[in-house]
Amino acid sequence: NAGVTQTPKFQVLKTGQSMTLQCAQDMNHEYMSWYRQDPGMGLRLIHYSVGAGITDQGEVPNGYNVSRSTTEDFPLRLLSAAPSQTSVYFCASRQGVNKNIQYFGAGTRLSVL
Amino acid sequence: TQLLEQSPQFLSIQEGENLTVYCNSSSVFSSLQWYRQEPGEGPVLLVTVVTGGEVKKLKRLTFQFGDARKDSSLHITAAQPGDTGLYLCAVTGGGNKLTFGTGTQLKVEL
Repeated sequence: NAGVTQTPKFQVLKTGQSMTLQCAQDMNHEYMSWYRQDPGMGLRLIHYSVGAGITDQGEVPNGYNVSRSTTEDFPLRLLSAAPSQTSVYFCASRQGVNKNIQYFGAGTRLSVL
Repeated sequence: TQLLEQSPQFLSIQEGENLTVYCNSSSVFSSLQWYRQEPGEGPVLLVTVVTGGEVKKLKRLTFQFGDARKDSSLHITAAQPGDTGLYLCAVTGGGNKLTFGTGTQLKVEL
């Protein structure tokens, strides 16, 4: 099993550019989420999804969009990148809303200049 | 305001030493998890504690959930360089969303 796969691993953007961070899982998990990790702040939830067609906002959703057209994929879109969005982004999945074991991807390191 | 405060934020020790890191909150939780994150990787779940006062052991790691289920500790005996990493506690809150603590960065040197 590949688990949770994130692409790209690294990305540099200019302010105002848009891009999509890809996340795919092959474990047939219902629950997927996106976090950003910044020094001294742990991981903060951006958006999450409890199943295909259902998404909701987390703690820091502004500047990001998500969609969940399939169980496997949960892309994160930055519509107009800002330097404040420089961070490491992690996608995670777990089997169900009430299942505690969460699996993380290896992360995408994003720099916005 | 952080829901979960971890201390210390940084810890650098020599191989063979013992250490304890803490995860504290003013809220009560039904369960708490500990994760370890190595450089360039995502966090990996180490343990889930669910009962007040519960103690779980994972080789040289001992996890304890506070009696009031507001705090937890992680004790490492005879630390090794392979223990180096970022240790994160996390709790499941409203909407079954997982909230993470601020993390403790541990470095174990030879």
